[in-house]
Amino acid sequence: SYELTQPPSVSVSPGQTASITCSGDKLGDKYACWYQQKPGQSPVLVIYQDSKRPSGIPERFSGSNSGNTATLTISGTQAMDEADYYCQAWDSSAVGVFGTGTKVTVL
Amino acid sequence: QVTLKESGPVLVKPTETLTLTCTVSGFSLSNARMGVSWIRQPPGKALEWLAHIFSNDEKSYSTSLKSRLTISKDTSKSQVVLTMTNMDPVDTATYYCARINGDYPYWYFDLWGRGTLVTVSS
Repeated sequence: SYELTQPPSVSVSPGQTASITCSGDKLGDKYACWYQQKPGQSPVLVIYQDSKRPSGIPERFSGSNSGNTATLTISGTQAMDEADYYCQAWDSSAVGVFGTGTKVTVL
Repeated sequence: QVTLKESGPVLVKPTETLTLTCTVSGFSLSNARMGVSWIRQPPGKALEWLAHIFSNDEKSYSTSLKSRLTISKDTSKSQVVLTMTNMDPVDTATYYCARINGDYPYWYFDLWGRGTLVTVSS
């Protein structure tokens, strides 16, 4: 089955840039989404179709996808961005796959 | 206002069958571009996609759990039902339903329910 791998944790200083990677075989041929989940809350969509932001998501969130890696970038990271982040894609059989998750800590 | 709300038992015993209901409002399950997925998250662990269903009754299931899952919908009641057989303590998790938007392969989960915690224990 298809798998997506993320680093377990990423640390970033306030105001700096955080980059979260998501690796999967030929992931660039698929479309990646990213979800933010804060403790005790449901996930929230922050990026879809590799790089599109839903209404209400700050411009500091951006995404890219090429080769075997999708990347979520948070520019000018704020304390409120501290959360778990999950990438997600669909395999060729329309089966959903989530990444292993990354905890972003704003130090 | 568009919402999804999960309901079902809080506690199930090992080997029992779990039945969860997702009741949606603010959109119709007959909308051609939208579907509903079930996703779960064991305590402290990652999200795991389980299944989805669309207006044309197209369904898909997790490869590893396919033999235990059944998803169905009642459009008139605005409900999507997931059953999972032969429950085990490792199935203890928060179960979410989420709306799927877009067209394949561009699908994405744009709205989520609050989730319901299901504990499997004798």
